[in-house]
Amino acid sequence: GENVEQHPSTLSVQEGDSAVIKCTYSDSASNYFPWYKQELGKRPQLIIDIRSNVGEKKDQRIAVTLNKTAKHFSLHITETQPEDSAVYFCAASERWGAGGTSYGKLTFGQGTILTVHP
Amino acid sequence: DAGITQSPRHKVTETGTPVTLRCHQTENHRYMYWYRQDPGHGLRLIHYSYGVKDTDKGEVSDGYSVSRSKTEDFLLTLESATSSQTSVYFCAISGRGSRDNEQFFGPGTRLTVL
Repeated sequence: GENVEQHPSTLSVQEGDSAVIKCTYSDSASNYFPWYKQELGKRPQLIIDIRSNVGEKKDQRIAVTLNKTAKHFSLHITETQPEDSAVYFCAASERWGAGGTSYGKLTFGQGTILTVHP
Repeated sequence: DAGITQSPRHKVTETGTPVTLRCHQTENHRYMYWYRQDPGHGLRLIHYSYGVKDTDKGEVSDGYSVSRSKTEDFLLTLESATSSQTSVYFCAISGRGSRDNEQFFGPGTRLTVL
């Protein structure tokens, strides 16, 4: 099955700095890579996702890059703000629309606790 | 929040007792999932459903069973709860519209097994 490794486990930055979280995956059939943000005591919320037919996607201060050859993808947050402080999870799955039978099951990384200091 | 609820939100039970958690959705999503979240492990898939009465095991299914008798409801049962099943349980849904891979999560259920 799929295995997703996420680093670092904790990340501390100053407000305004950039933050980068990296994930590697093992299954070459995976082609959908979402990132979730989870605030304390809340549910995970999707913040950005990327599919294997593109190498980069941006949404305001957040970007995700994907290297299919190396099987790794990264989350980049620029101009960090204190409200970005949360736990971030990467995940991987095989889209069922691509002919697979994974039914969209996600395999998650272990999470990164991001703290942005004012 | 995508019309997904979980009940109960908190539960404390004793070892050996049966427990059923409910996930209810109003969005007509085809796929439903149960995950557990533990420190250092992220979220791990317990069971999932790809249609009414169609379910399958996930990564950590031992000690759990599920049922889905109608589209809206997905039940997770711990037949005989153990302390190792103390966790936060999240239900998720997906499979509707152009964003069919996107999973929406419920608010979670915090289960403590004493």
